[in-house]
Amino acid sequence: QKEVEQNSGPLSVPEGAIASLNCTYSDRGSQSFFWYRQYSGKSPELIMSIYSNGDKEDGRFTAQLNKASQYVSLLIRDSQPSDSATYLCAVNIGSTLGRLYFGRGTQLTVWP
Amino acid sequence: DGGITQSPKYLFRKEGQNVTLSCEQNLNHDAMYWYRQDPGQGLRLIYYSQIVNDFQKGDIAEGYSVSREKKESFPLTVTSAQKNPTAFYLCASSMPGFPSTDTQYFGPGTRLTVL
Repeated sequence: QKEVEQNSGPLSVPEGAIASLNCTYSDRGSQSFFWYRQYSGKSPELIMSIYSNGDKEDGRFTAQLNKASQYVSLLIRDSQPSDSATYLCAVNIGSTLGRLYFGRGTQLTVWP
Repeated sequence: DGGITQSPKYLFRKEGQNVTLSCEQNLNHDAMYWYRQDPGQGLRLIYYSQIVNDFQKGDIAEGYSVSREKKESFPLTVTSAQKNPTAFYLCASSMPGFPSTDTQYFGPGTRLTVL
């Protein structure tokens, strides 16, 4: 069964803190991993993509991938109230090119 | 500007009606996708198309139909056979083939409500 699981929310952190979002996936053959941010009532927008083990940093965002543990995470440093949104993890699973499987999302609230 | 457009933004359907949601992209992407999102849920794949004149069912295709006559366009019809169509519908596109190009980009979505 193809699954992408995200840590259950909601997650609430104070402004300036580090928010940690986690995701596990079922298929060891997965190659592509994505984090999307979705504001209420809006469509998902890409935050990060990661393809190799290790860390990838982009501004305040860091994606971490561990294929051996089938685990991908997103760290948001210096969290801001504008980061309050639902974060979706997406993974390509199986042999179908381009097809992604999405987790249910983790709702993050950053309070001032 | 390159991007994906969806129309209408809001759509209301009466019982027994078929309705068609539009999705257009000018990103020159080969693949297009339709997802459904219900409150508190992730995205569920309805249909996808990797090339013109070809498409495959996703996980929840029953009650829906699609066509892919042009690379730029992938309309979704919600038929009367779909018993619970009220949801947020999202169209996406990508250029699959290489891990560095397979990112899916989303349109703004269509919110469908059954009256």
